Amino acid sequence: QKEVEQNSGPLSVPEGAIASLNCTYSDRGSQSFFWYRQYSGKSPELIMFIYSNGDKEDGRFTAQLNKASQYVSLLIRDSQPSDSATYLCAVETSSGGSYIPTFGRGTSLIVHP
Amino acid sequence: ETGVTQTPRHLVMGMTNKKSLKCEQHLGHNAMYWYKQSAKKPLELMFVYSLEERVENNSVPSRFSPECPNSSHLFLHLHTLQPEDSALYLCASSQELAGDLYEQYFGPGTRLTVT
Repeated sequence: QKEVEQNSGPLSVPEGAIASLNCTYSDRGSQSFFWYRQYSGKSPELIMFIYSNGDKEDGRFTAQLNKASQYVSLLIRDSQPSDSATYLCAVETSSGGSYIPTFGRGTSLIVHP
Repeated sequence: ETGVTQTPRHLVMGMTNKKSLKCEQHLGHNAMYWYKQSAKKPLELMFVYSLEERVENNSVPSRFSPECPNSSHLFLHLHTLQPEDSALYLCASSQELAGDLYEQYFGPGTRLTVT
C-alpha cells in the first residue's frame, strides 16, 4: 500500500509568518508531486506541482522536493488569514503499470491576525 | 469555475434507491477520476478513466458503478447504498501524456447523504 503522510495539524501561525507544511511518501518511484488547497466546504484547487529535486517558487509559495529522503514540503511566506485552509499533498504512485494520484490526509493551517 | 461541473450538488437517497452522479469537463482532458471524501479521512480514489478506458478500480464495492461514455463525461451509478457511503463525491480531470500524471482539476462535488 503506497502511503502519503501529512501531519493533520492544525498548524497555527501568526499573520506575516512563514508556514511550513510537510509531506512524506513511501513510493520511491514517484515522479510527480502536487500541493492542493481546500477551503472548508469547497473542492481542492492546485497550488503548485514539482517534479525535480530542489526548490520551486511561485509568488509567496515555495515547494521543496527531496527524492532521496522521500520528502516534499510547501512554504508559505507572509502568511495571510486567507491562507487558512487544509493543504493536501498528492503524489503520483505506481499501480499495476499505471500511475495514479495518492493523497495525504491534509494539514489544516490557521493564520491568525 | 475550474471547467469541471458536477450534478447534483446535493443528494439524499434511501438505501433502496438508484441514482446517478454526473460529471462533465470542458478542459479537453483525457483522464477523469471519481473520489470519495469523508470527514477525517484522506481523499479516496475510487475510479480512474484514461482515454475512456478504466485503468484503476480501487477495490470499490459493486454498489458503485462508473460509466465513461466519452472523454468529457463521467457518471457514477449508485444502488443499494449504505449509510457509511454518505460523503462528498468529487470528480476531477487531468491531461495524461505517456503515463505521466499531471495536475488535476476538481469539480465542486456532490454531497451525498444515505438515509
